[in-house]
Amino acid sequence: LAKTTQPISMDSYEGQEVNITCSHNNIATNDYITWYQQFPSQGPRFIIQGYKTKVTNEVASLFIPADRKSSTLSLPRVSLSDTAVYYCLVGDVNDYKLSFGAGTTVTVRA
Amino acid sequence: EAGVTQFPSHSVIEKGQTVTLRCDPISGHDNLYWYRRVMGKEIKFLLHFVKESKQDESGMPNNRFLAERTGGTYSTLKVQPAELEDSGVYFCASSRERTLQFFGPGTRLTVL
Repeated sequence: LAKTTQPISMDSYEGQEVNITCSHNNIATNDYITWYQQFPSQGPRFIIQGYKTKVTNEVASLFIPADRKSSTLSLPRVSLSDTAVYYCLVGDVNDYKLSFGAGTTVTVRA
Repeated sequence: EAGVTQFPSHSVIEKGQTVTLRCDPISGHDNLYWYRRVMGKEIKFLLHFVKESKQDESGMPNNRFLAERTGGTYSTLKVQPAELEDSGVYFCASSRERTLQFFGPGTRLTVL
């Protein structure tokens, strides 16, 4: 599994856009980039997955440059309820041993 | 559709006792996983079932841990005897696709 590096924490205010960048310099050709979100006292929750360029769903957008050595999770107009830990995972779609790392703790303030 | 459920939500036991954690996966999910986070550490994989078969238990810390999934439905994780270092949060997840796993809320285990 490719090693990932992401900031330990980020602070934001309601209504702002939050961008979390994850570095994965040794990403392999078959690897996908997946982001999970974890609220306190809950298990991680899948939010988005991509291979290249841009992926968008109702929760977030994922931007992946051509070299795929990094990716950016974008959370538009965050609210207090978006306060959570966000994990960047890189691996083959057949990798079932998810490796969460320390994640990025995002704190949204009023 | 009901999510992954885990029971109990919290368990406090004495060192040397036995505890059994239960996980009910999402209906139709053949893949079931156990993970845990011990104090101050990252979430780590314990094992993977496909239906009732253990596919990979490489993450199980030692032989005090026993996981079963009788009939390919719910799963149990037994710790016997429990030690202080077993304290942490135990998560269960299930999936159809391997990287799109749905997690339960976890069981917080405290060993005194």
